[in-house]
Amino acid sequence: DAKTTQPNSMESNEEEPVHLPCNHSTISGTDYIHWYRQLPSQGPEYVIHGLTSNVNNRMASLAIAEDRKSSTLILHRATLRDAAVYYCILEGGTSYGKLTFGQGTILTVHP
Amino acid sequence: NAGVTQTPKFQVLKTGQSMTLQCAQDMNHNSMYWYRQDPGMGLRLIYYSASEGTTDKGEVPNGYNVSRLNKREFSLRLESAAPSQTSVYFCVTQGYSSNYGYTFGSGTRLTVV
Repeated sequence: DAKTTQPNSMESNEEEPVHLPCNHSTISGTDYIHWYRQLPSQGPEYVIHGLTSNVNNRMASLAIAEDRKSSTLILHRATLRDAAVYYCILEGGTSYGKLTFGQGTILTVHP
Repeated sequence: NAGVTQTPKFQVLKTGQSMTLQCAQDMNHNSMYWYRQDPGMGLRLIYYSASEGTTDKGEVPNGYNVSRLNKREFSLRLESAAPSQTSVYFCVTQGYSSNYGYTFGSGTRLTVV
């Protein structure tokens, strides 16, 4: 299965943008890029996903590199409620339906 | 709209006891999964069901069995619990294609003593 690499932790100030990077150099052409986040004592929550084009929704934006070997989750204005572990995951092809979670990035948001 | 409902939320078992974790979804999703989450190990897939009537092993199926009772319900059974099965268990569903994200239940925290 294709793997992803994320920084262990990042910090941000409230109301500032946050850019969470993810490297996936072995991504295949059919792999979707998913982002989930997990708040303490809760199940992971879907944030956004995409294949090739940049994606926007009410929670965040996903910027995908042209060669698809990396992507960036963008939180436009961080709030204290965005403090969580963020997971970048690839899914597709032989891994269809099977999400392989790495360790994720712990995001700390300072007031 | 409840989404994915897991019961129970907490459970303590003695080694050797059996129990069934229940999961029900009201989103009309075909695919359902059971994951476990352990500190330092991330989330790992135990079993999954691509559609009603089918089940397949995931990464860590030993010690578990599953039943896809109908489209809504997917249960996970521990026949003889072991301390190594102490974990948080998540039931997950997905829609019809990779155009849909995955929806997680709130989890069952299981302790085996």
